[in-house]
Amino acid sequence: DGGITQSPKYLFRKEGQNVTLSCEQNLNHDAMYWYRQDPGQGLRLIYYSQIVNDFQKGDIAEGYSVSREKKESFPLTVTSAQKNPTAFYLCASSILGQYNEQFFGPGTRLTVL
Amino acid sequence: AQTVTQSQPEMSVQEAETVTLSCTYDTSESDYYLFWYKQPPSRQMILVIRQEAYKQQNATENRFSVNFQKAAKSFSLKISDSQLGDAAMYFCAYRSGGTDKLIFGTGTRLQVFP
Repeated sequence: DGGITQSPKYLFRKEGQNVTLSCEQNLNHDAMYWYRQDPGQGLRLIYYSQIVNDFQKGDIAEGYSVSREKKESFPLTVTSAQKNPTAFYLCASSILGQYNEQFFGPGTRLTVL
Repeated sequence: AQTVTQSQPEMSVQEAETVTLSCTYDTSESDYYLFWYKQPPSRQMILVIRQEAYKQQNATENRFSVNFQKAAKSFSLKISDSQLGDAAMYFCAYRSGGTDKLIFGTGTRLQVFP
């Protein structure tokens, strides 16, 4: 089945710890994205990548880091510098083209204890 | 900067009835795309419908259609013959033709009553 997988579904971490969220796609999509969702605020873009080994900051990149070593994978690291990391994180991918329709994974709920 | 506004935090509809969700956006660009996404309780975002700004004809996908008013910068979603499975959060999103970035509204929660 083609699609986007995110793991884990739920993640708990202690304050001061870095944590990495996984995102994998087998759709052969060029671009991948990370969004953060908070109640009442919709989705906000953290980072995105159009090609391997290249990525750009979105609107709320502070305290996050990413890598794109393979086309299929775009992991997001939430660092201890992120002041309020508890949120729902969504990964998406798209084919670069006219519409750039983004397809989303099932998400990861991160809770900082 | 572009913004997307959904002024209805919650809406409700009776099964089999029609409901319209509102969305307005602010942009000075002429090349852009608009989308409606559905987020059911599973929280996975699903694309419902899209509209190209250069097309005057309103997009339609089965029971879902849009009313695209370019001059008014309005992009409402109409759901006909509402079903219980339509209950979800609905997000309006904007993308400039020159970027990959989606800008989302804050969402409308739709409840469907039997």
